Amino acid sequence: DAKTTQPTSMDCAEGRAANLPCNHSTISGNEYVYWYRQIHSQGPQYIIHGLKNNETNEMASLIITEDRKSSTLILPHATLRDTAVYYCIVRLFMDSSYKLIFGSGTRLLVRP
Amino acid sequence: SAVISQKPSRDICQRGTSLTIQCQVDSQVTMMFWYRQQPGQSLTLIATANQGSEATYESGFVIDKFPISRPNLTFSTLTVSNMSPEDSSIYLCSAAGRAGAHEQYFGPGTRLTVT
Repeated sequence: DAKTTQPTSMDCAEGRAANLPCNHSTISGNEYVYWYRQIHSQGPQYIIHGLKNNETNEMASLIITEDRKSSTLILPHATLRDTAVYYCIVRLFMDSSYKLIFGSGTRLLVRP
Repeated sequence: SAVISQKPSRDICQRGTSLTIQCQVDSQVTMMFWYRQQPGQSLTLIATANQGSEATYESGFVIDKFPISRPNLTFSTLTVSNMSPEDSSIYLCSAAGRAGAHEQYFGPGTRLTVT
């Protein structure tokens, strides 16, 4: 699975958009980009995933560059509850293996 | 979605003893996994719990130290054997659901302290 690089920490103001970057320059053509987050003292929570196209769901948007070497997770209106560690993971999607390998992630602090 | 529960939620154990952590999923799942999260660190995958066969361990983890059972499609256990203070961590269970589903679900974790 391709390696990812994320900033160690970021902050944003409550109500503003939080844009979390991820670099995955060695991604292969059939690897997906996944985002999870871990709120303090809880298990990680799935946010969104994508292959080539931009994706949006009720939680966030995922923007993947045309060359697929980087992506950005966007929380459109960050709230204090969005303070968490955000993990970007690149992985093949195979029926025989679903394992996720976590990097160090980005610690997002949403300020009041 | 899948809801995962773990027992116990936390425990304090003496070195040299063993603790078995239970993981229950509210629906049948294809894959189950066990992770360890040491204080202030990211998650490290210990093993994949295979139903009906031996677990598949990641590099640095061995069956004698972390025996795993998976008797059916909704339940798994992880035993931390012959514990030392270095085993103090949060242990998390995870499950991947139906074939074709991308989401993986995580339990709340078991916080283990070894004295």
